[in-house]
Parts: sequence; C-alpha cells; structure tokens
Amino acid sequence: DTEVTQTPKHLVMGMTNKKSLKCEQHMGHRAMYWYKQKAKKPPELMFVYSYEKLSINESVPSRFSPECPNSSLLNLHLHALQPEDSALYLCASNPDGERNEQFFGPGTRLTVL
Amino acid sequence: GQSLEQPSEVTAVEGAIVQINCTYQTSGFYGLSWYQQHDGGAPTFLSYNALDGLEETGRFSSFLSRSDSYGYLLLQELQMKDSASYFCAVRSTNQAGTALIFGKGTTLSVSS
Repeated sequence: DTEVTQTPKHLVMGMTNKKSLKCEQHMGHRAMYWYKQKAKKPPELMFVYSYEKLSINESVPSRFSPECPNSSLLNLHLHALQPEDSALYLCASNPDGERNEQFFGPGTRLTVL
Repeated sequence: GQSLEQPSEVTAVEGAIVQINCTYQTSGFYGLSWYQQHDGGAPTFLSYNALDGLEETGRFSSFLSRSDSYGYLLLQELQMKDSASYFCAVRSTNQAGTALIFGKGTTLSVSS
C-alpha cells in the first residue's frame, strides 16, 4: 500500500456541528501532517505528528483538534468552525520526518455554512 | 523568516519548454523541492535538490544554486496534462521535522 487515504472526500457542516476528518497510511511512515489549502493558495501547515507525538502546532485555533491514535492514523476533530475555515484539508506523511518528499492524500473538501 | 518567490502564471504551447523560477530566503537550508498539483487534486512530489546542479527525471529537470538562493523547474516537451500548479518548497526551520513551507505557486497553462 503506497498511498495516503482521507475520508470523507467532501464535508458540509454548520457552525455548531462537530465532525472529524480521517487520514490513514500503511507505508510505515512515522511523520504525519495536516495542511489547510484555500483556493489558488499554497498548502499551509497546521499540525505535525512525529512518532505519534505532536511536535508542531502552527498557532491553529482551538476549534481544530488533532489526534494520532496510532502510527497509521491521523484525525482532525472540528468544532464550532467558521465559514472562513472552508478549504481543502490535506493530510501528508513522510517516512522519518527528515526527508523533503511528502506523500499527500487526496484531501477533504470542507464547506462550513 | 522564510519566504519563496515564484511567478504566478506561465503559459506555453504543447511541445515547448518552460522554466519556472524560484528564489528563496531561509536561515537554514535543507534543499529545495518541487510539487505539482492539478485542479482538485493533491500535491505530488516532483523533485528535490540538496546540492547545486541539475537533477533530471524524464521530461522534468530541477536546478539549484545555493549561492544565489535560486532554483528552477524545467519542463520539456510540454503536454496538455502538464497544465497544473507548481510549487517550490523548503523545509521549515522553525520547528523539528520536515514541515514544508511552500511558495505561492505557479499556474502553468499549456495550449495546443
């Protein structure tokens, strides 16, 4: 298995909802990332998990809460989001956290109403 | 801080050669990467340069000059499917690990 999978592909939620995004990889990679990408913009780093420990939090609002249950799974819990949080949320992984090649999942297209 | 500059748009015709430049500012340097992203798709890794010189991978080549803080991606024998956004990226030096900082992206449009 040489890919990163993300579910759901699309998500529409209201500002009072709670939802979760899921990311999975079975390549044995030990670093996993969440990026946010707005239209016509580059991906922006949100969180990094290295060996299942959160090592970077790029001052992301607390309405986004990451979780790494095990080395293959990464979740992003969403609560009380704002319309401006609508974006493509990308998960990526890296074999050891020390290489420049990151493997991206297809993303979850999130719309907040 | 870290920043990367690249042109916002490039247009070319099928069969042509196009070069996308990237200049960067970073306090520590761990190499320059290039990613391709089609509309609605995920970024995919194209190439990586840690040392000066040219790296060739099929129709795509990437060049780095560390003394000039400059690199470029060269796409040859352009095809319609090469129409996409291209991002240069460096590793973030503010934190541990390979968190990437991306340039703003260059939209390449290939016409017939």
